[in-house]
Amino acid sequence: GENVEQHPSTLSVQEGDSAVIKCTYSDSASNYFPWYKQELGKRPQLIIDIRSNVGEKKDQRIAVTLNKTAKHFSLHITETQPEDSAVYFCAASRLEAAGNKLTFGGGTRVLVKP
Amino acid sequence: GAVVSQHPSRVICKSGTSVKIECRSLDFQATTMFWYRQFPKQSLMLMATSNEGSKATYEQGVEKDKFLINHASLTLSTLTVTSAHPEDSSFYICSARGLATGTGELFFGEGSRLTVL
Repeated sequence: GENVEQHPSTLSVQEGDSAVIKCTYSDSASNYFPWYKQELGKRPQLIIDIRSNVGEKKDQRIAVTLNKTAKHFSLHITETQPEDSAVYFCAASRLEAAGNKLTFGGGTRVLVKP
Repeated sequence: GAVVSQHPSRVICKSGTSVKIECRSLDFQATTMFWYRQFPKQSLMLMATSNEGSKATYEQGVEKDKFLINHASLTLSTLTVTSAHPEDSSFYICSARGLATGTGELFFGEGSRLTVL
């Protein structure tokens, strides 16, 4: 099955700086890579996703890059703000009609210091 | 976006009792729902995949007789923790994927925090 590794487990940054979280996956057939943000006691919220047919995707201050050959993908948050503080999870899956079972990374606790 | 509702949000029960958690897709039909468990400061671990009208598929190490899953309709899946013990205390979250394929996005319920005394 799929195995997703995520680093770092904790990340502390100064407000305004950038944050980068990296993930690797094991299943070369995985083709969908979402990133979720989870605040304490709440449900995960999708913040950005990328499919294997593109190498990069950007949405305002958030960007994700994918290297299929190396089987790793990264989340980049620029100009961080205190409200970016949360736990971030990467995930990987195969997009198929009856599946899309997500395997999550271990999570990164991000703290943005004002 | 699509809405998935989970109930109850919090439940406290005595050891040995059973607890049922409901997961509903409110504005779309979900052929497949997924049940995750999350221990404090840990990741989401998939427990089982629930398919409407058929038996659930459990992940390795998850006891199917202890975690009963029913997906009787396209908008409702239930997870019953039978004979709960303190080690079953956790945050249980369901997610659903709609009939429309291609988007890939899963929608998560609010989660249910179970505390077994």
